Amino acid sequence: QVQLQQWGAGLLKPSETLSLTCAVYGGSFSGYYWSWIRQPPGKGLEWIGEINHSGSTNYNPSLKSRVTISVDTSKNQFSLKLSSVTAADTAVYYCAREVLVRGVMNYYYYYMDVWGKGTTVTVSS
Amino acid sequence: SSELTQDPAVSVALGQTVRITCQGDSLRSYYASWYQQKPGQAPVLVIYGKNNRPSGIPDRFSGSSSGNTASLTITGAQAEDEADYYCNSRDSSGNHHVVFGGGTKLTVL
Repeated sequence: QVQLQQWGAGLLKPSETLSLTCAVYGGSFSGYYWSWIRQPPGKGLEWIGEINHSGSTNYNPSLKSRVTISVDTSKNQFSLKLSSVTAADTAVYYCAREVLVRGVMNYYYYYMDVWGKGTTVTVSS
Repeated sequence: SSELTQDPAVSVALGQTVRITCQGDSLRSYYASWYQQKPGQAPVLVIYGKNNRPSGIPDRFSGSSSGNTASLTITGAQAEDEADYYCNSRDSSGNHHVVFGGGTKLTVL
């Protein structure tokens, strides 16, 4: 059973850099993309970006200038850095495993089947 | 378009059937996946693909798709189904970014 364990600093000051790490236990690290998602208080889910075991990344255009996602395959971990944080970055941050399968008639199956428990990050002066 | 549109709120009487919908151009190329989120908890995958349930998800949850609209149906809603539900896919416009719907708050009366 694959499990994701995530950790990182929960309280930041404006302009600091958010840093979170997610470790993958109990399953393969390669062959998947791994995502970061966030949820501001009382709001919906927002995708931040993704990475695969080779280090290929894809970012949400609205955050791309501030986001870096990296991978450490020796530890089966991937990490998120978000620079120059403001109060608007206050949210619960989740890591998740993505599955993408090409089905019949060029229809794709895409889903996030394993999630971390979430890390609450608060940005306040 | 990279957007997925959901109704903000839906209600259902206990034991009745409810359908939650999700619209977006990407759903012409990707099956939507559906997540249930209860307060203070991480989202949980409930439906993926054409109509697949992960292990442990009750069979009262089902999914369907037609054109640019995906639906999550709960047949015989239970009190414990009260939650936020989010649809999700990838953008089919070429950048393949991941997109979430805005979420639907389901109230079981």
